[in-house]
Formats: sequence, C-alpha cells, structure tokens
Amino acid sequence: KAGVTQTPRYLIKTRGQQVTLSCSPISGHRSVSWYQQTPGQGLQFLFEYFSETQRNKGNFPGRFSGRQFSNSRSEMNVSTLELGDSALYLCASSLGQGASTEAFFGQGTRLTVV
Amino acid sequence: AQKITQTQPGMFVQEKEAVTLDCTYDTSDPSYGLFWYKQPSSGEMIFLIYQGSYDQQNATEGRYSLNFQKARKSANLVISASQLGDSAMYFCAMRERGSASKIIFGSGTRLSIRP
Repeated sequence: KAGVTQTPRYLIKTRGQQVTLSCSPISGHRSVSWYQQTPGQGLQFLFEYFSETQRNKGNFPGRFSGRQFSNSRSEMNVSTLELGDSALYLCASSLGQGASTEAFFGQGTRLTVV
Repeated sequence: AQKITQTQPGMFVQEKEAVTLDCTYDTSDPSYGLFWYKQPSSGEMIFLIYQGSYDQQNATEGRYSLNFQKARKSANLVISASQLGDSAMYFCAMRERGSASKIIFGSGTRLSIRP
C-alpha cells in the first residue's frame, strides 16, 4: 500500500512568486491536512480537507489556500511568497475524522524563498 | 487551551539503553488521542504509537511503549534497547474530539544515540 506522496520534494522560489504543492493521500483516506514546520515556530496547522470541503483552518494569512479533489488529492497554494514562508510543508492523510484517527505524513516539501 | 509540552530539547543516550521522552498535555476535552512521531533528518514524520484517552492499558508497539498517566496529563514515550537508527527528533502530539481535524504538536526532543 503506497504511503503519502508529496511533490515536489524541494522548491526554490523568489519573493513575490506563487507556489503550488501537491499531496496524494493513502488510498481510501479522505482527510488531508497541511502543516508548516519552521525552526522558530515548530509545527503549525494550516488547514484540513475532508471530502473536498475545508473543515478547519489555522492562523495563516489568506495567501495560503488549498483545495481537495474528488480523488482526495490535495493541493496547497501560497501566493506572493515572502522570505518567512521558507519551511518544510508536511501533508498528513487520515482515514476518518475522530480523535483516535492516526495521521500518516508524507516526506514533505522543502520550500526555500530567496 | 490545548497544549503539548516537551521539556527536553535534547538527549544523549548510550546504545542499547532504554530512554524515556517526556510529554505533558493540557486539554479540557474528555475525548482525545495522543501520538508520538519520529522525524529523521530526511524530514518525514513517522508514526510510532497512539494512546486514546479512554484506553485502560498503556500502548505498546515493538520497542516503543507509552507511559500514560491520565491524572497527571502525562504521556511519556519509552524506547527500549535503543539503536543508532533511533537518533532523530521526536514529537508528542494530540488530537481532541472537538477539533479532530487539527493535530497539536509539542516542540520536540532531539534524541542522539551514542555507539
């Protein structure tokens, strides 16, 4: 059974550009959530999608957006990139919606903004 | 407010020794799940073990066990017979029933195993 796949693994972008990251969850999983990891702030929740609907959103500016497709694949978009957006972006896949549901992560996309 | 606290930024342990990584949490939701993840330098977050708030017994998965003390809101990870490959960052995390779509992470503990 394939795990969570994130593409690309590495990205270098210039300030002001936009970027799209992709996440393919484990087959059968309908929940996809996104996290930003930086040395200063640690792991922070961005948003979560379930059955193509955003269910929850963290405290990030509107430049950060996402969507989920009917096959549960998800994309995250960051517009007007800033230097502070440099981070490891992790995607997590879950089967259901409960507190006991395990979340499985991809290898992440390491974004560098120059 | 929900919160996870890991008080050990870094630890050094001799190979083959057991190690305990501390984690305390704070929540007002009676239903929650506690998780431990391992993050090697490659960046991937690897799921290790899960403990539910209503579970009566401590969770175990191979060399990993979770020392769950509900009254103290403590969920320490115990790794028995440590190996060089255990060197990594370890994160304690929590999901509440009321906001199950969001996982809250602690700041992590960097574990280094000495040969």
